Amino acid sequence: EDQVTQSPEALRLQEGESSSLNCSYTVSGLRGLFWYRQDPGKGPEFLFTLYSAGEEKEKERLKATLTKKESFLHITAPKPEDSATYLCAVQASGRGSTLGRLYFGRGTQLTVWP
Amino acid sequence: DAGVTQSPTHLIKTRGQQVTLRCSPKSGHDTVSWYQQALGQGPQFIFQYYEEEERQRGNFPDRFSGHQFPNYSSELNVNALLLGDSALYLCASSLGGGRQFFGPGTRLTVL
Repeated sequence: EDQVTQSPEALRLQEGESSSLNCSYTVSGLRGLFWYRQDPGKGPEFLFTLYSAGEEKEKERLKATLTKKESFLHITAPKPEDSATYLCAVQASGRGSTLGRLYFGRGTQLTVWP
Repeated sequence: DAGVTQSPTHLIKTRGQQVTLRCSPKSGHDTVSWYQQALGQGPQFIFQYYEEEERQRGNFPDRFSGHQFPNYSSELNVNALLLGDSALYLCASSLGGGRQFFGPGTRLTVL
């Protein structure tokens, strides 16, 4: 069964204190791994797509990396406006898995205080 | 270029009632997926529509049904509402099985 597990569930950082969020996955053939940011009461906002092990993507203070079993979202020198829930999702391509649907983790709630 | 839009923003219903939620996809997208997100949880896949047909379905009962129109917009219908149906309902659009863009969601409260 395709599964996604995110850790930690919650993370509190002081402004400027760098850290990493983890997403481990079990999927029968990875078609893509997605990172989204979600603010309270709003829809997820797309951040990155990663397709193969070793791939990296960067955007401002965020950097996403991918291995064969997990992905990391590194946050460098975060600011209070980075506070949000970060969701990881996978799209499977293996036999027996349905194309197109996303399997989400429960998210990491990040709070950055001044 | 408008993104994914959903209506209504909020909705309050009582147990046993029926509800219809609406979604307009991002311009150029032909596929609509619906997700349910309970408080503190990640989104759970309900179903996906392409070419006006349900293409795949998650682990949700038949009380949840949908429709896609020729202009690619979509509706999610839930019958016989239960308290446990209270959640944020998200619509995502894509071009085929590609990257999904999410709307702002509809907050459904069942009393």
